[in-house]
Amino acid sequence: AQSVTQPDIHITVSEGASLELRCNYSYGATPYLFWYVQSPGQGLQLLLKYFSGDTLVQGIKGFEAEFKRSQSSFNLRKPSVHWSDAAEYFCAVGAAGANNLFFGTGTRLTVIP
Amino acid sequence: DADVTQTPRNRITKTGKRIMLECSQTKGHDRMYWYRQDPGLGLRLIYYSFDVKDINKGEISDGYSVSRQAQAKFSLSLESAIPNQTALYFCATSPTRGKVTGELFFGEGSRLTVL
Repeated sequence: AQSVTQPDIHITVSEGASLELRCNYSYGATPYLFWYVQSPGQGLQLLLKYFSGDTLVQGIKGFEAEFKRSQSSFNLRKPSVHWSDAAEYFCAVGAAGANNLFFGTGTRLTVIP
Repeated sequence: DADVTQTPRNRITKTGKRIMLECSQTKGHDRMYWYRQDPGLGLRLIYYSFDVKDINKGEISDGYSVSRQAQAKFSLSLESAIPNQTALYFCATSPTRGKVTGELFFGEGSRLTVL
């Protein structure tokens, strides 16, 4: 069965510190992987996506993620967090021929000055 | 203007009432979706539609129905609302790229409270 696990419900980091949000997936087919961000009161916005090719993908707002097939992971990283990055982050998985995306339960990021 | 527009943005209703949430899009996408977001549960798919004549149930369709009135419009109805349907509802669209499920574009959400 398809599933996405985000083991960290809430993470707090200091502004300027590095960030890594974890995502593990279980999927029967070759996965397509996504990270979305949800700011308070807003819908979800795509940060980055992986379909194939280079396993390190760059996204908007200085985020990147690395696909590691052997670990079934797609962790999101940012070298220096800004206060405006405070939001909820969702990992999602899909595949060719799939009808929809499966979402993780989200990680809420708090940024302290 | 938003590409994916949901109305109403907020609604408080009582148990047993019929509620309709509407979604319209200007992105020209064929695929439209309704998701429900609950704290700690992430997003769960209620219904999806690949075109006007193609409606499909998602993982939590019980208690909900949908109507795809046009390519650009996809409505979600709660025939008789109950308190555990209190949630944040999202409409999303996706372009058709062969058989690939690609990026979803989300509306800003409709917060529904059932008393």
